[in-house]
Amino acid sequence: GAGVSQSPRYKVTKRGQDVTLRCDPISSHATLYWYQQALGQGPEFLTYFNYEAQPDKSGLPSDRFSAERPEGSISTLTIQRTEQRDSAMYRCASSPSGTRVNGELFFGEGSRLTVL
Amino acid sequence: GENVEQHPSTLSVQEGDSAVIKCTYSDSASNYFPWYKQELGKGPQLIIDIRSNVGEKKDQRIAVTLNKTAKHFSLHITETQPEDSAVYFCATNTRTGNQFYFGTGTSLTVIP
Repeated sequence: GAGVSQSPRYKVTKRGQDVTLRCDPISSHATLYWYQQALGQGPEFLTYFNYEAQPDKSGLPSDRFSAERPEGSISTLTIQRTEQRDSAMYRCASSPSGTRVNGELFFGEGSRLTVL
Repeated sequence: GENVEQHPSTLSVQEGDSAVIKCTYSDSASNYFPWYKQELGKGPQLIIDIRSNVGEKKDQRIAVTLNKTAKHFSLHITETQPEDSAVYFCATNTRTGNQFYFGTGTSLTVIP
């Protein structure tokens, strides 16, 4: 597509529910990142994919968080048994570069998650 | 992991004045230093970047300087305009090069 598309833009859920967020990157881009951005803070790395491979998931806060990119294009981020501290903006970014990042990240508009 | 500190957190300038935002980093292996601008309701967008083999880079009203010895880099915006008002983030890549660490952001307000 023309840009990085994320859905839903807004999600309100009750504590304990599972949520899945979706990212559709720029079609030619090999690398896809997930970031968590709290209000007034910079994006914090969660995980990234190089095509369908997931070389680094060191930023995922707990085992309740998981991400997939099964066909190397669209990716989902799933949070199980949500907690109030999971409330944040979740941003996806894609990049044409491969394993070494030294180029532009293209960010989506984000999915704002609110856990009540 | 990498530690990126950014100052100031907020900055107000009169239209036409200059604005300077500074970042320090800890990983001496970092070799790529981008700056992103985030407007309200939008995702961050790259505005300028610099690589470690260069000390300064300029693009019209914006410039970035890098001091690898001191591990700091700065964003300079000259002749500021109201449309420059946004949150600016610095970032560095990591030792393995496969992710970025972002600063905490600077909210810039340009007063007409």
